[in-house]
Amino acid sequence: DQQVKQNSPSLSVQEGRISILNCDYTNSMFDYFLWYKKYPAEGPTFLISISSIKDKNEDGRFTVFLNKSAKHLSLHIVPSQPGDSAVYFCAVRRGGATNKLIFGTGTLLAVQP
Amino acid sequence: EPEVTQTPSHQVTQMGQEVILRCVPISNHLYFYWYRQILGQKVEFLVSFYNNEISEKSEIFDDQFSVERPDGSNFTLKIRSTKLEDSAMYFCASSGNGRYVEGYTFGSGTRLTVV
Repeated sequence: DQQVKQNSPSLSVQEGRISILNCDYTNSMFDYFLWYKKYPAEGPTFLISISSIKDKNEDGRFTVFLNKSAKHLSLHIVPSQPGDSAVYFCAVRRGGATNKLIFGTGTLLAVQP
Repeated sequence: EPEVTQTPSHQVTQMGQEVILRCVPISNHLYFYWYRQILGQKVEFLVSFYNNEISEKSEIFDDQFSVERPDGSNFTLKIRSTKLEDSAMYFCASSGNGRYVEGYTFGSGTRLTVV
């Protein structure tokens, strides 16, 4: 099941710089796109989402961009902080009656002080 | 902030044994889910539960798996006869309104190790 892909397993960024995490999907029927942050031994924590009718959503240091024509989603973190170091998962929900989320494989972000 | 609570945090069981993983969802939530993550792999959907019945399940959720909401507060996942490949982190989640994705909250997980 390769409906959602995060092609970068890891990313290292200097503190204060921008972190850009990417996600590609295959199905144009997805109606909601989410980013979750996960620390070891904890469950995924919701960060930010965007519906398919928008192309940008911003919440503080976090901005999600959606490019529907390219079927591409990205998360920008500006400025990056050491506490942002975690695994980031993109997740999607297909439109219709289903509530299940389909997750990407995750990107490990390391923010260097 | 309300949270989803899972117990135990780690369970070790022998192959062929039954295990029950427990979850206490957020109290006013109506939709309940189980996901799992095999080490190094993606988080995968197992099952969703609403109005005391399964609303959706994945191909992973075969006859060895069952879910129950026995008392209005707990939500359990039972694996009848565990296999080595059932070893994974199991996450419970709940949401108040199925269409409101921002309210989809995960617990900290139960690490199941089958030996």
